[in-house]
Amino acid sequence: EAGVTQSPTHLIKTRGQQATLRCSPISGHTSVYWYQQALGLGLQFLLWYDEGEERNRGNFPPRFSGRQFPNYSSELNVNALELEDSALYLCASSLARGVETQYFGPGTRLLVL
Amino acid sequence: EDQVTQSPEALRLQEGESSSLNCSYTVSGLRGLFWYRQDPGKGPEFLFTLYSAGEEKEKERLKATLTKKESFLHITAPKPEDSATYLCAVQGGNTDKLIFGTGTRLQVFP
Repeated sequence: EAGVTQSPTHLIKTRGQQATLRCSPISGHTSVYWYQQALGLGLQFLLWYDEGEERNRGNFPPRFSGRQFPNYSSELNVNALELEDSALYLCASSLARGVETQYFGPGTRLLVL
Repeated sequence: EDQVTQSPEALRLQEGESSSLNCSYTVSGLRGLFWYRQDPGKGPEFLFTLYSAGEEKEKERLKATLTKKESFLHITAPKPEDSATYLCAVQGGNTDKLIFGTGTRLQVFP
């Protein structure tokens, strides 16, 4: 069974640009979560999508946004990139809402210059 | 505020030297506690889910336990391939988001 996939694996942008990160969940999973892992910091919750709706967002500015498509894949958009946005962005999926295990993808490494 | 603290930050063990990693948490209405393993530059790999105090789970050389305030990940006779960062996360309240600790970086030397 294929795991969570993310693209691209690496992304280099300059300050002020926009970045788009993509995630495909495990087949049959309806919930998708986005986390940011900056160097030296723990994973910070960004966004949670379930059944196409945004269910919860973490303490990040509005320039971090996303969506979930009818096939449950998801996109994370980061506008007006800042240097401190450089991090590993991890996507996870779970079978449904509730206390279901979240399985993580390999991440997208975003570097903002 | 929900919070997870892991200790130690780093641990160096000789191959075969057993030890324990600690995860202390404060959360409103614990729904689940999760352990993950993360290798450098990769996504976290799921290990265990614990739901209630007193619960224990085992997998190969790893055993996770849970009390009302903390969880332990016991590593018995570790091997070099167990070297990784071990992450603890909790899920509580009425949201599915995970709150992570900063992890314990484990190095096992032959």
